[in-house]
Amino acid sequence: DTAVSQTPKYLVTQMGNDKSIKCEQNLGHDTMYWYKQDSKKFLKIMFSYNNKELIINETVPNRFSPKSPDKAHLNLHINSLELGDSAVYFCASSPSSGRFNEQFFGPGTRLTVL
Amino acid sequence: AQSVAQPEDQVNVAEGNPLTVKCTYSVSGNPYLFWYVQYPNRGLQFLLKYITGDNLVKGSYGFEAEFNKSQTSFHLKKPSALVSDSALYFCAVRDNTGNQFYFGTGTSLTVIP
Repeated sequence: DTAVSQTPKYLVTQMGNDKSIKCEQNLGHDTMYWYKQDSKKFLKIMFSYNNKELIINETVPNRFSPKSPDKAHLNLHINSLELGDSAVYFCASSPSSGRFNEQFFGPGTRLTVL
Repeated sequence: AQSVAQPEDQVNVAEGNPLTVKCTYSVSGNPYLFWYVQYPNRGLQFLLKYITGDNLVKGSYGFEAEFNKSQTSFHLKKPSALVSDSALYFCAVRDNTGNQFYFGTGTSLTVIP
């Protein structure tokens, strides 16, 4: 039983294309996140959603747009892909935005922009 | 502002020896501290957390962490390292709103057979 799943696992595309990454959690959690992990393994939060509402939007280019159709899903759409977008993107969820709660991570989507 | 620092990019330890992965934190208010492990080509997995109470926190896979308020540290430890412990370890702190995690830069642990 996969707790947090992401599709696709690998995504290879050309500069300028638009692509989406999907995330689903079956844990009944209220809060979901998107993280970017760069080639040096630095992990940086991009977005945080609580009950389908955006609560954090870090300094991310507006080419990146999260969409949460319901609280079990948080998709990431990226317009006009650039070389610097190449990274591993992780979705995560937690029971709520409470300070005590750990996050559960998906397996990641490795995006390569050529 | 909340932050954590992991001063070591790489830690090597012989199998069977004790291991320590260091983390120091800077928070305003009470710290809520976490350790995660990332195996190659996998997502992060939660190991343990400190919320309040005992300074020694026990977690998954035999790991434990010691919270030290005076030194603002939360070092991850294991009495006897296994080769399978080789992975990337992240320390994290949650901010006071609960909305965001701040991750350290990660420490790559290699356990040598």
